[in-house]
Amino acid sequence: QSALTQPASVSGSPGQSITISCTGTSSDVGTYNLVSWYQQLPGKAPKLIIYEASKRPSGVSNRFSGSKSGNTASLTISGLQAEDEADYYCCSYAGSSIYVFGTGTKVTVL
Amino acid sequence: EVQLVESGGGLVQPGRSLRLSCAASGFTFDDYTMHWVRQAPGKGLEWVSGISWDSFSMSYADSVKGRFTISRDNAKNSLYLQMNSLRPEDTAFYYCTVTVAPGLFDPWGQGTLVTVSS
Repeated sequence: QSALTQPASVSGSPGQSITISCTGTSSDVGTYNLVSWYQQLPGKAPKLIIYEASKRPSGVSNRFSGSKSGNTASLTISGLQAEDEADYYCCSYAGSSIYVFGTGTKVTVL
Repeated sequence: EVQLVESGGGLVQPGRSLRLSCAASGFTFDDYTMHWVRQAPGKGLEWVSGISWDSFSMSYADSVKGRFTISRDNAKNSLYLQMNSLRPEDTAFYYCTVTVAPGLFDPWGQGTLVTVSS
């Protein structure tokens, strides 16, 4: 049950696109399409923004998109806005009713 | 509106026990698997434990296995986490959340802070 690997920080200017990677193993990300992403604003609970690797819940901006290839999932934020400044976490199902989160990425809007 | 409200956090000495509760409303509680996820102050998220709708299946992170016990009372729309033999590294905000579909947690409660310190 090792945490998925994410970059500690990613930054971009308003309007730019950024991508956050989430690297796991063949026991989690590589086997299951059950990868989700969460946005956590300071002092708030996490909020679901992507599920099943690339699906977006109702009400979530279409500037957020997800993908997966092999053992790595990715979250892309396009048209970066100041309100996107937050911590982002990936999560993968790892079998046997076990889940594993990523190490987290702090997104800074320059 | 779906609501999850955690309670029971507080300051506890190492080796002691604490029981967290999560009161659910706004959805059919006994239809869904429930989970606890924690976050040490300033750190990342860690999945702790999950329980199926019928309490038939329970799962735990290695870090808490044998010390924590998850349970639920569908008649009271409530989820619980019994935490025994607490350690300083268990200090965290504990969030209650729902698996409304496989592989996703939505929504989340506001969290309750557990501090393990002498």
